[in-house]
Amino acid sequence: DQQVKQNSPSLSVQEGRISILNCDYTNSMFDYFLWYKKYPAEGPTFLISISSIKDKNEDGRFTVFLNKSAKHLSLHIVPSQPGDSAVYFCAVANFGNEKLTFGTGTRLTIIP
Amino acid sequence: DAGVTQSPTHLIKTRGQQVTLRCSPKSGHDTVSWYQQALGQGPQFIFQYYEEEERQRGNFPDRFSGHQFPNYSSELNVNALLLGDSALYLCASSLFDRGLNGYTFGSGTRLTVV
Repeated sequence: DQQVKQNSPSLSVQEGRISILNCDYTNSMFDYFLWYKKYPAEGPTFLISISSIKDKNEDGRFTVFLNKSAKHLSLHIVPSQPGDSAVYFCAVANFGNEKLTFGTGTRLTIIP
Repeated sequence: DAGVTQSPTHLIKTRGQQVTLRCSPKSGHDTVSWYQQALGQGPQFIFQYYEEEERQRGNFPDRFSGHQFPNYSSELNVNALLLGDSALYLCASSLFDRGLNGYTFGSGTRLTVV
């Protein structure tokens, strides 16, 4: 039973444009949502998070949006840069619990 | 400041064998979690260790076991290896009362079962 889904396995975006990555989850009990970035031969690195009491969180070029009623999470990267090319995973958790449930990932390729 | 260190980086084992993977947490961290990432999938939570005890466990069979040592380092043991155990095994460390704040992953051990 896939609790977290990233329906786009890959995405290509022109440098300078906006990249939008999407994630859907099934369990409304989750209250903490994260995005991780992974380069080949490295572990996932934390990018940005949001708690269920918010609907938007920004950090520089990265913004995460949470739509609780739709159980949908998205990550916006603007402007996209070549160094953003990586696999992006969304993950969900319950606040205070360190068990992460990950999606299947989206491979983002930024085209120069 | 060393991050999370995992060893070995790559490993090839034969079906039916046993394997031990190792993890040294980031300096100052006391909690270790293990994840399995199969090809084309996201990481899946195996278990978490704190104070040398297993605190949480994901949906993995008893063939998967672990240990945490007094210096907070940890081992993941897998018995009776199956071809389906081939995956990247990731270790993450954290400070128990800080939740996911500072949760840090290692680069993983790539296990191939033949």
